[in-house]
Amino acid sequence: QITLKESGPTLVKPTQTLTLTCTFSGFSLSTSGVGVGWIRQPPGKALEWLALIYWDDDKRYSPSLKSRLTITKDTSKNQVVLTMTNMDPVDTATYYCAHIEYEHAGGLGFDYWGQGTLVTVSS
Amino acid sequence: DIQMTQSPSSLSASVGDRVTITCRASQSISSYLNWYQQKPGKAPKLLIYAASSLQSGVPSRFSGSGSGTDFTLTISSLQPEDFATYYCQQSYSTPDTFGQGTRLEIK
Repeated sequence: QITLKESGPTLVKPTQTLTLTCTFSGFSLSTSGVGVGWIRQPPGKALEWLALIYWDDDKRYSPSLKSRLTITKDTSKNQVVLTMTNMDPVDTATYYCAHIEYEHAGGLGFDYWGQGTLVTVSS
Repeated sequence: DIQMTQSPSSLSASVGDRVTITCRASQSISSYLNWYQQKPGKAPKLLIYAASSLQSGVPSRFSGSGSGTDFTLTISSLQPEDFATYYCQQSYSTPDTFGQGTRLEIK
């Protein structure tokens, strides 16, 4: 079955760079149509889509955060890594990674999610 | 970015009630609209994808409809476990934006 799990620091200082790793099993990120995305949720607030990497290594980012985000994949390790630079207290949130499959014109929803990891930005 | 607007933002209902939540996109997204349920402290769960397709394992009391810019999620008969927050999301054009959520509470 498909599982995903996020890992990384729980506390980062302002201006530091956050690196989160999503380790998954049950699918291959080299399979056509497959993607892994990152989504975050500040405490008590709505979900926010951050970035997505496709099976063919195409990468997409939230325009408002694009200058701060980098998403990469290591297919051999079944991992996707998200880095976010210049962290600020407003970036305090639970960060999720999730699996998605695509057909010709669009995605079919994030059908499998990690448990999420709470990242707090504070000095 | 495509903006997704859900209504209402909160809703009180009773067990057994029929409930409808709406989601409007700022431009046409064909049928690439997904619905999620989220309970406190848990990851979101996909209920409906491609506007009207029921995700495997999701009870049939959940249904979705719509295309273009206007979509609805209907719960035909509320069960105690359905009280949660619901989000719509478009997956037609990145960034795959989410709505602001609808909190469904017990009356």
